[in-house]
Amino acid sequence: EAGVVQSPRYKIIEKKQPVAFWCNPISGHNTLYWYLQNLGQGPELLIRYENEEAVDDSQLPKDRFSAERLKGVDSTLKIQPAELGDSAVYLCASSRLAGYGHTQYFGPGTRLTVL
Amino acid sequence: QKEVEQDPGPLSVPEGAIVSLNCTYSNSAFQYFMWYRQYSRKGPELLMYTYSSGNKEDGRFTAQVDKSSKYISLFIRDSQPSDSATYLCAMSADASKIIFGSGTRLSIRP
Repeated sequence: EAGVVQSPRYKIIEKKQPVAFWCNPISGHNTLYWYLQNLGQGPELLIRYENEEAVDDSQLPKDRFSAERLKGVDSTLKIQPAELGDSAVYLCASSRLAGYGHTQYFGPGTRLTVL
Repeated sequence: QKEVEQDPGPLSVPEGAIVSLNCTYSNSAFQYFMWYRQYSRKGPELLMYTYSSGNKEDGRFTAQVDKSSKYISLFIRDSQPSDSATYLCAMSADASKIIFGSGTRLSIRP
């Protein structure tokens, strides 16, 4: 079974530029998560999708961040414009459902550097 | 104060030693407790998952939860160099939204 796929693995941009990250979850997983991981910190949830619906986006900075999950499979996370403080690893995870007993499987992440 | 506190380490022990990793938390609503392992440049992977208080053993790994003290532990027996990684504790009130600790960097010396 293929794992969670993310691309690109690394991205370097200048501040004020837009950037987008793509995630393909494990086949059959209805729940998709985007996390932000700063250096030396644990992942922090940005947004959770149940199929196409964003059920928890309370931690997503909506002035510059947006996300979509069309057709309930792949997802894209966008930042526009990027700021220096956005430099971090962006992790995507998926699970069959949300809740007890449903393990979240993480992708390798996209490491973003904003110059 | 963070909801979940974890000593960042780094922790360095010789091969074969018993390793103890710990977290404390403040939210009494947490009832699902997890330990993730994260290798460098990789995403976290689930090691152990427990519900409420008690112990759970899986091979060389034992997870303990003490809800009265708001304290959880992960023990690794017969530690191996391949166990060198960052270990993240994580917990949740409803098993859907997970709060992670900051991680402890562990190094096992051959």
